Formats: sequence, C-alpha cells, structure tokens
Amino acid sequence: GQQLNQSPQSMFIQEGEDVSMNCTSSSIFNTWLWYKQDPGEGPVLLIALYKAGELTSNGRLTAQFGITRKDSFLNISASIPSDVGIYFCAGHPWVGGNEKLTFGTGTRLTIIP
Amino acid sequence: DAGVTQSPTHLIKTRGQQVTLRCSPKSGHDTVSWYQQALGQGPQFIFQYYEEEERQRGNFPDRFSGHQFPNYSSELNVNALLLGDSALYLCASSLSGTVNSPLHFGNGTRLTVT
Repeated sequence: GQQLNQSPQSMFIQEGEDVSMNCTSSSIFNTWLWYKQDPGEGPVLLIALYKAGELTSNGRLTAQFGITRKDSFLNISASIPSDVGIYFCAGHPWVGGNEKLTFGTGTRLTIIP
Repeated sequence: DAGVTQSPTHLIKTRGQQVTLRCSPKSGHDTVSWYQQALGQGPQFIFQYYEEEERQRGNFPDRFSGHQFPNYSSELNVNALLLGDSALYLCASSLSGTVNSPLHFGNGTRLTVT
C-alpha cells in the first residue's frame, strides 16, 4: 500500500540538539498528523494540522503543514532522552478525516551519550 | 479513563491457521479502526467499523475480516495465515461525528506466523 516518504530514516543526535524531519507525498492531503511510537507501544498523536501553511506547537515540538499540501515538517528543540523513538507522519485527503490514514515510513531518533 | 486495550499482546500461530484479535475502544468512542504494522514500516489501514458495519477497507484480501459488537468492541479475524501476516496489529478508536476526532491507538498485538 501507499506510504508517505519520510526523511531522514534515522537520526543520531546529542542531547540538547534541535531536530528536523519531513514528510512528502505525491498527492495532496488536507490533514497532516505527527505521531510518536515507543518500543512495544502504539503510536501517540503529537500534533494535528488541518490548514495549508499552518504552524502548530506542542511544547518543544513544532509542526508545519506545507503550502503545497504535499508535505509537512516536524521540529524538536533542545532534545531530551525521552524524545527517543520513531516519529511517523500520517495524512488524509479530507480536513479532519481519520478513516484510512496513510502513514509514513518513519524517522527513528536516537540520542547518543 | 481506560484507553484502547488489545488482547492478546503476543501470539504465535502456524501457517494455514486462523487467528482472532480483540480490541476495546477508549471509553466514549464508537468507531474502531485496524492497522497492520510490519517490522520497520508505518501502519497500514486494514478497515474501520462503525455501527457494527465495515465502513472503509484498505487493500487487504478477504482473509482479513472483522466484527464490531453492540458495546463498540471489535475483533479482527485472519484466515489461512501466511508468513507475511507476521506483524504488529494495531487497533485505534475515535468518536464519529466529531470534527477532527483524532485516533487513539492501543499497544497492539504482536502476531508471529511460523
């Protein structure tokens, strides 16, 4: 099935560094979501975006809905150990739609001591 | 406030067997979606149930079927298991009719087919 393209696939950073990752699609989405998945757990919603150009923050996390509606970006500032995990983007053709979400391939974040 | 609960947490089956996975939605939610997550991949949508009927379906064969009960809980059934069915199966719930109702995921059932 279709999956969104996320980059980078993995990141190795030091604690305190800022992180940037993105997600691209060949088709337009009108809802963009960012999830985090820890080992042995299900994805947890971090940020939801419903309008092109929208910039939304959740604590140290900031996500943007690309103006082309074919991409989205997630930034994490001043990373801490609990930020370790896999970050997934997800999209839907409708605003606020949650049936049949299309997920990305994931970005694995590792903090090196 | 109980979140989405899934059972069992782990399961090992043999090729050709059948399996049933169970899900209880978050309290107050009435819609259940099922996703398959292969190792190293993002979740893939299987189907969604609302009012005890399948509302949407992803690109999965008929070997994958489901059911929703009057209490909104749900089952995922997979017949004639293949090695490629080995994956984490995630259940997610939401509230229908609510604008921008996000999906809440359970912790999944890890299915291994040998």
